[in-house]
Amino acid sequence: SQQGEEDPQALSIQEGENATMNCSYKTSINNLQWYRQNSGRGLVHLILIRSNEREKHSGRLRVTLDTSKKSSSLLITASRAADTASYFCATDANNDYKLSFGAGTTVTVRA
Amino acid sequence: DGGITQSPKYLFRKEGQNVTLSCEQNLNHDAMYWYRQDPGQGLRLIYYSQIVNDFQKGDIAEGYSVSREKKESFPLTVTSAQKNPTAFYLCASGRGERSPLHFGNGTRLTVT
Repeated sequence: SQQGEEDPQALSIQEGENATMNCSYKTSINNLQWYRQNSGRGLVHLILIRSNEREKHSGRLRVTLDTSKKSSSLLITASRAADTASYFCATDANNDYKLSFGAGTTVTVRA
Repeated sequence: DGGITQSPKYLFRKEGQNVTLSCEQNLNHDAMYWYRQDPGQGLRLIYYSQIVNDFQKGDIAEGYSVSREKKESFPLTVTSAQKNPTAFYLCASGRGERSPLHFGNGTRLTVT
């Protein structure tokens, strides 16, 4: 069952701009992960944030987690053409360690 | 280089035929997973295995079968009982519960 839902479904930005996407989920989680998928390829793990963390950074990526609102956001700063991809959030519920993926946000970075 | 290899990249089959998708990993991961991805949708879990010789059904196991005879290998068979088999299939592995997953580059199966 899909627990996470990303918003927006698609995003188009100019190179150098920031891209923000959100993920909402339904049940309490242990951790939340973000993945990137280039067209026709497998997913690549970007960042994991635990339920007791509120913010995490990795290079140009910034992830926030608000467990009271059951939501997370992924910010990509100073976007590049190579950031063009689909981005997925994945959650594992407290009582089920299997990951549940959302439908993803497709990001297009225009040169 | 360590990683997950899925083969073939593209697979075409006639309706009514069983087909087996290969997934091999050299990451020494205990856990392996099969997901299905349809256009514009997220990943749906088909089967997963936490240890050799053991596996469990995911959310959409009907029409699929797996085996886990070796730690490195987790092949998926799409049987003729699967009503809508055309999809992109992704294999993944992980160190264990709640750990990040490493994905292969997928097999695109087309059944006509």
